[in-house]
Amino acid sequence: QLQLQESGPGLVRPSETLSLTCSVAGGSISNSNFYWAWIRQPPGKGLEWIGIVFYTGTTHYNPSLRSRVTISVDMSKNQFPLRLTSVTAADTAVYYCARLWDNYGYARSYFDSWGQGALVTVSS
Amino acid sequence: QSVLTQPPSVSGAPGQRVTISCTGTSSNIGANYDVHWYQQLPGTAPKLLIYGNTNRPSGVPDRFSGSKSGISASLAITGLQTEDEADYYCQAYDSSLSDHWVFGGGTRLTVL
Repeated sequence: QLQLQESGPGLVRPSETLSLTCSVAGGSISNSNFYWAWIRQPPGKGLEWIGIVFYTGTTHYNPSLRSRVTISVDMSKNQFPLRLTSVTAADTAVYYCARLWDNYGYARSYFDSWGQGALVTVSS
Repeated sequence: QSVLTQPPSVSGAPGQRVTISCTGTSSNIGANYDVHWYQQLPGTAPKLLIYGNTNRPSGVPDRFSGSKSGISASLAITGLQTEDEADYYCQAYDSSLSDHWVFGGGTRLTVL
């Protein structure tokens, strides 16, 4: 049974960098059928896709966040970290990591497993 | 403003049938990309409910069904139960500008 777990600071100061890590258990991050994703949800609002990474390091980012976001993979630890720079209060959200099933291409891909989420508050 | 449009809320009595719509554009649903649905119970992470327009993952009751036509998709829930009260999100791939994935704004289902 695949398990994803987000970890990192729950409070980040404005203008600083938000850093979270997703640890994957019960499956290998190097499985070529999957990408690995970050998705966020501001309090009381809907879901926003942040970006995805493949085990080779290939990434795709939300155009609205591209200039500030980096997602990478650490295969030795079976983890994929998220970095979001120059944060503001608008970045306050629950951050989820998830697995993207991509066996038949992007057009048919979906998020089949999610972590429990980590609340990150941006405040001084 | 979400790329995929859903009604903010729907409601129904126990035992009834409700539907939730999801309207996209020619760069996502209308481009023949699959639509997927997620259920988010209060205080929990989203869970995959329907994938590939019509398919249910193992463990999802057959009371939940999905359909797609043109630039729209729908989620139907029959035999409504109190435990179905949740937020529901549609999702698709979008090829405008660059490769990216989009969600609907979410629909809050209230079981009266």
